[in-house]
Amino acid sequence: EAGVTQFPSHSVIEKGQTVTLRCDPISGHDNLYWYRRVMGKEIKFLLHFVKESKQDESGMPNNRFLAERTGGTYSTLKVQPAELEDSGVYFCASSRSLAGGDNEQFFGPGTRLTVL
Amino acid sequence: DAKTTQPPSMDCAEGRAANLPCNHSTISGNEYVYWYRQIHSQGPQYIIHGLKNNETNEMASLIITEDRKSSTLILPHATLRDTAVYYCIVTRDDKIIFGKGTRLHILP
Repeated sequence: EAGVTQFPSHSVIEKGQTVTLRCDPISGHDNLYWYRRVMGKEIKFLLHFVKESKQDESGMPNNRFLAERTGGTYSTLKVQPAELEDSGVYFCASSRSLAGGDNEQFFGPGTRLTVL
Repeated sequence: DAKTTQPPSMDCAEGRAANLPCNHSTISGNEYVYWYRQIHSQGPQYIIHGLKNNETNEMASLIITEDRKSSTLILPHATLRDTAVYYCIVTRDDKIIFGKGTRLHILP
C-alpha cells in the first residue's frame, strides 16, 4: 500500500508569488489533514477534509491560504500571495475513519517551503 | 494548547527499554491517548494509541493508569533508529494538537 505522498518536496519562491502544494492520501482514506511547522515552533493543525468537504478549517492562518479537495481524492493547498512568515514545512496526513477511536493518521514526508 | 505534559528530553542506552511518561490529567472520557514520533525532519509517524486498556503492538507498549491521568510509552529494546521527538496526544479522533514532545536520545 502506497503511503501519503506530497509534491513538491521543496519549493523556493519569492514574496508575493503563488505556490500550490499537493497531497495524495492513502487510497480509501476519507480524512485528509494539513499541518505545518514553522521554524522553531510546534507542528500546527491547518485544516481537515472529510472526503471533499471541509470539516474543520480553524487552523488556517488567513485568507491567503486556500485548500481544496475536489472529488475527495488528492488535495491542494495554495498560498497566494506568499509572505516570508509562510516559510516552513507543510505536512499532509490521511486516516481511514473517525469511528471507534481507530483514527491513526499517516503523514507524508512534507513540503519544505521557503519564501525569500 | 496541548493537553499533555511531557519531559523535554530523555536519554536511554541502546538495547534498554525506553519509558516515556506523559501526564494528561484533564483527559475526558471519550478521548484517546495517541503517541506519534518524528525522526529528524521526516513526517510524524504513528506509534500506538489506547483508551483505557494497556496496548501493545510491534513497535511499542502503552500503559495507561487506571484513572487515565497519565500514561507511559515503552520501547522495549531501544535502538539508535529510535532517536526522535515523541509526542503524546489526547484526542477524540480529530485533529492532532502537537505539543513540544520529548526528545529521546538513544546512547550507543
